[in-house]
Amino acid sequence: SQTIHQWPATLVQPVGSPLSLECTVEGTSNPNLYWYRQAAGRGLQLLFYSVGIGQISSEVPQNLSASRPQDRQFILSSKKLLLSDSGFYLCAWSLGARGAFFGQGTRLTVV
Amino acid sequence: GQQLNQSPQSMFIQEGEDVSMNCTSSSIFNTWLWYKQDPGEGPVLLIALYKAGELTSNGRLTAQFGITRKDSFLNISASIPSDVGIYFCAGQRGADGLTFGKGTHLIIQP
Repeated sequence: SQTIHQWPATLVQPVGSPLSLECTVEGTSNPNLYWYRQAAGRGLQLLFYSVGIGQISSEVPQNLSASRPQDRQFILSSKKLLLSDSGFYLCAWSLGARGAFFGQGTRLTVV
Repeated sequence: GQQLNQSPQSMFIQEGEDVSMNCTSSSIFNTWLWYKQDPGEGPVLLIALYKAGELTSNGRLTAQFGITRKDSFLNISASIPSDVGIYFCAGQRGADGLTFGKGTHLIIQP
């Protein structure tokens, strides 16, 4: 069966520091991968999606970037965090248009 | 980006009551999905609908994919305390991600 792992679960970072969140999927090949951000317990906003290694599409211009160095690995990064980057970040995977499956999320607080 | 119109925003109900929520969109989706999210957790997929007109059940949950492909509803029968949480609808066209509603916050009063 497929599983998705996302870490860390919580993170407190100072303004201006770098960020790296990692997500890996097991039990499937060539999944579509996604990063979402959720503010205030509502409304998931798509940040990035990837249909293959090295292929990244950005939905919202911002202070973040994403990379997919391996088939089942998706990384969300920032060189310098802003206060507005605080939120709940969720990684997800899908195969075609069959629904998406989410990780447990990372609560990021920028102080 | 586009968001789905999900209603109601919140529901305060008594345990044992039935619940109904719906989503509408101005554009067509190939797949409609319903998720439940508990505090501090990722959304969990409850029901996936793949064909216009499809009616699907998962225990006490029933959902339908609208004929026009622009809407969907979710019903929960005989609510229990563990049904508390935020329910999201989502539409999917292909590989480019899901479009989400803003959620329905379900609160159950004993």
